[in-house]
Amino acid sequence: EPEVTQTPSHQVTQMGQEVILRCVPISNHLYFYWYRQILGQKVEFLVSFYNNEISEKSEIFDDQFSVERPDGSNFTLKIRSTKLEDSAMYFCASSLTFSNQPQHFGDGTRLSIL
Amino acid sequence: AQSVTQLDSHVSVSEGTPVLLRCNYSSSYSPSLFWYVQHPNKGLQLLLKYTSAATLVKGINGFEAEFKKSETSFHLTKPSAHMSDAAEYFCVVRDNQGGKLIFGQGTELSVKP
Repeated sequence: EPEVTQTPSHQVTQMGQEVILRCVPISNHLYFYWYRQILGQKVEFLVSFYNNEISEKSEIFDDQFSVERPDGSNFTLKIRSTKLEDSAMYFCASSLTFSNQPQHFGDGTRLSIL
Repeated sequence: AQSVTQLDSHVSVSEGTPVLLRCNYSSSYSPSLFWYVQHPNKGLQLLLKYTSAATLVKGINGFEAEFKKSETSFHLTKPSAHMSDAAEYFCVVRDNQGGKLIFGQGTELSVKP
């Protein structure tokens, strides 16, 4: 069964550094998402992406964050200048349609900011 | 605004006994509801989905959920727990406007031998 893959599985970065989290969505999917889960808290929506542009973003997704689909397969989340509070598990998801198909998730990238 | 509330943060059952994980939703529209499971150090796996077809939804690994509009509930059940069911379970509603998923707080299921 096709799956969403995320790399790296664990990223350790110094505060203030830039970090790029990478995702390869399921190949025929059209909608892409990033979520995050801070330890002990709910999974939170960050951003959705369709047709090469952001469809929706949450309040968390400020100017420090950006997303890109640089080619036909990768979908990346960049954090420009990381803060301690960015430490979390970041999940990428993709879906075939907007409404009646579920989102499929990768295994996540655990981001640790020192 | 749509939301889901998982009524138990932790549920513990014995192997072979039934599982009940409770979820209530709030939605102005006919909701799309999901249950996802997260095993330790793994991603979120879809267990089942409700999208306004049959109210009793069957999922993977013997799990079921029943959509009850009158009670605004979408509880997850399984007749007989296995050790491998120990995990975190999330009740999720899809936002009708933007498509994003809104997660409940999660219920940690422990299964005792």
